[in-house]
Amino acid sequence: LAKTTQPISMDSYEGQEVNITCSHNNIATNDYITWYQQFPSQGPRFIIQGYKTKVTNEVASLFIPADRKSSTLSLPRVSLSDTAVYYCLVVTNTGGFKTIFGAGTRLFVKA
Amino acid sequence: GAGVSQSPRYKVAKRGQDVALRCDPISGHVSLFWYQQALGQGPEFLTYFQNEAQLDKSGLPSDRFFAERPEGSVSTLKIQRTQQEDSAVYLCASSLGGGENEFFGPGTRLTVL
Repeated sequence: LAKTTQPISMDSYEGQEVNITCSHNNIATNDYITWYQQFPSQGPRFIIQGYKTKVTNEVASLFIPADRKSSTLSLPRVSLSDTAVYYCLVVTNTGGFKTIFGAGTRLFVKA
Repeated sequence: GAGVSQSPRYKVAKRGQDVALRCDPISGHVSLFWYQQALGQGPEFLTYFQNEAQLDKSGLPSDRFFAERPEGSVSTLKIQRTQQEDSAVYLCASSLGGGENEFFGPGTRLTVL
């Protein structure tokens, strides 16, 4: 599975837009990109998934350039409750697989 | 609710004891995963089931770790002769199928004294 690289931590203020970029240079044709969010003492929670271009849901947007070697998770107007760890994963759907989490990005949202 | 549940939520074991951690996946979910998460780290893959078949157990750290899902629903992760380095949160996740987004349980925090 493609290895991912993302910043260790980021700081932001309430109401700002936060963009977290993830590098996945070895992504393969069948791979797609998934982001999870994890709060302390909870399991990770799915945020968004995409293959190319842009995907948007009620929580976030995911931007993937044409070469797919990176992706950017965009969180609009963050609040204190968005303080969490965000994981970028590259997942291959070949029927049998394992999901590889990195260390994630710790986002701190300040008042 | 209809989410993934795990029990117990907390387990304290003396070194050398055997422990069994239970996972109840979302009904109808074919795929089930176990992860180990050390403090401050991301979850590390342990093993993966598709129905009752254990398709990948490459992440199990030693032969003291054993997982089963005999009827394709509930799964148990067993750790024999626990060691202090086994202290971690053990997460279970399920999904509709391979490659689908995973739904995680709250985890079991294991502390080995």
